Amino acid sequence: RKEVEQDPGPFNVPEGATVAFNCTYSNSASQSFFWYRQDCRKEPKLLMSVYSSGNEDGRFTAQLNRASQYISLLIRDSKLSDSATYLCVVNSVGSSNTGKLIFGQGTTLQVKP
Amino acid sequence: DAEITQSPRHKITETGRQVTLACHQTWNHNNMFWYRQDLGHGLRLIHYSYGVQDTNKGEVSDGYSVSRSNTEDLPLTLESAASSQTSVYFCASSSGQGAADTQYFGPGTRLTVL
Repeated sequence: RKEVEQDPGPFNVPEGATVAFNCTYSNSASQSFFWYRQDCRKEPKLLMSVYSSGNEDGRFTAQLNRASQYISLLIRDSKLSDSATYLCVVNSVGSSNTGKLIFGQGTTLQVKP
Repeated sequence: DAEITQSPRHKITETGRQVTLACHQTWNHNNMFWYRQDLGHGLRLIHYSYGVQDTNKGEVSDGYSVSRSNTEDLPLTLESAASSQTSVYFCASSSGQGAADTQYFGPGTRLTVL
């Protein structure tokens, strides 16, 4: 079983739609969670961190469910510019320095006009 | 502005040649990482460093080496390039301040081994 699993998609949605991505992680001791965005042929960039209480940044809402080991990302009012691959990221547990991250394979979103 | 750069951005080489990919960051970050990204595999960790003179193997380290002689640079060397090492390589850095440590990525190097 992969440490971080995501549905690769693609998710094809019209402009203005609301879309949700889910991600599961295998290690219950994981402490830090992130969503990164990656545009085609570009580097991954941090979209948002995911906190236990959930957090919102404009049209984007991230939720964490520790009991189910599940992370979600909700995008409201989708824009064409939201088209990208969204990577679910979890910190690696057990290393002496907790700076290592584990990346999911990503979920591809295509927003259509 | 602080940044992380990689060079070259594109490289074509032949099987068996030694290749070095450069990564330079001006964030003054302790942690630096090298990943490769291939279709169907996502980002896979090759090597990483927590500071000067510190290097560690990641999940796909065979055929690669790194050295950390200063804070700013972590060059990645392919000792004898193989076609299986054709990939996009990303360097990243983070401050090393704890579990909620964000990694910042360079623009990537696209390597083709013929």
